[in-house]
Amino acid sequence: DVKVTQSSRYLVKRTGEKVFLECVQDMDHENMFWYRQDPGLGLRLIYFSYDVKMKEKGDIPEGYSVSREKKERFSLILESASTNQTSMYLCASSLEYSPLHFGNGTRLTVT
Amino acid sequence: KNEVEQSPQNLTAQEGEFITINCSYSVGISALHWLQQHPGGGIVSLFMLSSGKKKHGRLIATINIQEKHSSLHITASHPRDSAVYICAVSPSYGGATNKLIFGTGTLLAVQP
Repeated sequence: DVKVTQSSRYLVKRTGEKVFLECVQDMDHENMFWYRQDPGLGLRLIYFSYDVKMKEKGDIPEGYSVSREKKERFSLILESASTNQTSMYLCASSLEYSPLHFGNGTRLTVT
Repeated sequence: KNEVEQSPQNLTAQEGEFITINCSYSVGISALHWLQQHPGGGIVSLFMLSSGKKKHGRLIATINIQEKHSSLHITASHPRDSAVYICAVSPSYGGATNKLIFGTGTLLAVQP
């Protein structure tokens, strides 16, 4: 069974801090995604990657960057955290034309 | 207007009832996905379909490509079915990247 693991379930950071969210998948999937989920807005794509070192902006990339140095790991970086980045962050992975597999999410609070 | 619309937004049912959640979309698609999210939990993929009908246990998903509409049915509903159900589409222009467009979800509560 595919496992997508996010490094933290809950995270509290201060405004201006640099924040790293890590995601690891164990099924050799090409595609990996970072979403944020907010009430009433649903899931919004921040960044995705279709191969090692390849990345593309999603719908809301501002304030975020990503890194994919190895196929199994996709990191989301908040360069300088702000309160409007308080949200649930979800990582997902998939093969081409296949269902997405999601991690359990990281609830980030920026104070 | 959102490219993927779900209805209803909220649904309360009694245990044992037959439940239908609807999804309409406005773009050409290669596939449609139904996802489930329990409170505080991660998201699980229930179905991925591009035509016809799929069944898994008490869950049935149907799609009408011509009408750009899909339904998720739950037969003999149970309190453990209480969750948010999310419809998402793989747009044809997205190719193999699997960038989905999501609906905002339907919150289902099944009361005993």
